[in-house]
Amino acid sequence: SAVISQKPSRDICQRGTSLTIQCQVDSQVTMMFWYRQQPGQSLTLIATANQGSEATYESGFVIDKFPISRPNLTFSTLTVSNLSPEDSSIYLCSVEKLTGNTEAFFGQGTRLTVV
Amino acid sequence: AQKVTQAQTEISVVEKEDVTLDCVYETRDTTYYLFWYKQPPSGELVFLIRRNSFDEQNEISGRYSWNFQKSTSSFNFTITASQVVDSAVYFCALIGGAFNKFYFGSGTKLNVKP
Repeated sequence: SAVISQKPSRDICQRGTSLTIQCQVDSQVTMMFWYRQQPGQSLTLIATANQGSEATYESGFVIDKFPISRPNLTFSTLTVSNLSPEDSSIYLCSVEKLTGNTEAFFGQGTRLTVV
Repeated sequence: AQKVTQAQTEISVVEKEDVTLDCVYETRDTTYYLFWYKQPPSGELVFLIRRNSFDEQNEISGRYSWNFQKSTSSFNFTITASQVVDSAVYFCALIGGAFNKFYFGSGTKLNVKP
């Protein structure tokens, strides 16, 4: 299994500012994923973060708005920049272990409210 | 393309009733994984079950059971004798494709009333 620690669990931010979310895994993983869940909606993949290369963004998400760092195999950050009320969501990181059977694990989520 | 459909947006039942949550998926991959997650109001995703595409055995875990049928591309989830604590949003998800990305259904909100 994998234990994921995601911080902060929640935050209230002023519009125009930025929030950086941290995701720490207790074991080395190749791929880490960042998701957004807007209120009452399903999860949408923002990007895939691989160590040693730039993140791969999904359609509708850009690096300037959601810069991601992946300095090593156990850690990643997602920054949500130039915040607007539309960015109010839950943000979750996820890892997968592809050993035999694929297993997926999620962080506890970061509930962001932009005022 | 990968797609997961949860046609039931919201379901309300009275405690002790049985309830089935539907999940239909689409994929061209021969190897894929199906998941169910529970999301209580606190927001975290609670893993319930994973099933790979080669294992069509149904599974029972306490009050929970899952029916995987490749012939109909369905992976339905039944809660027997529902309880108030089962109230949550339930997501069905698929991992497949070249990059092992999750594809989530839209979720089914289950309300269990006392």
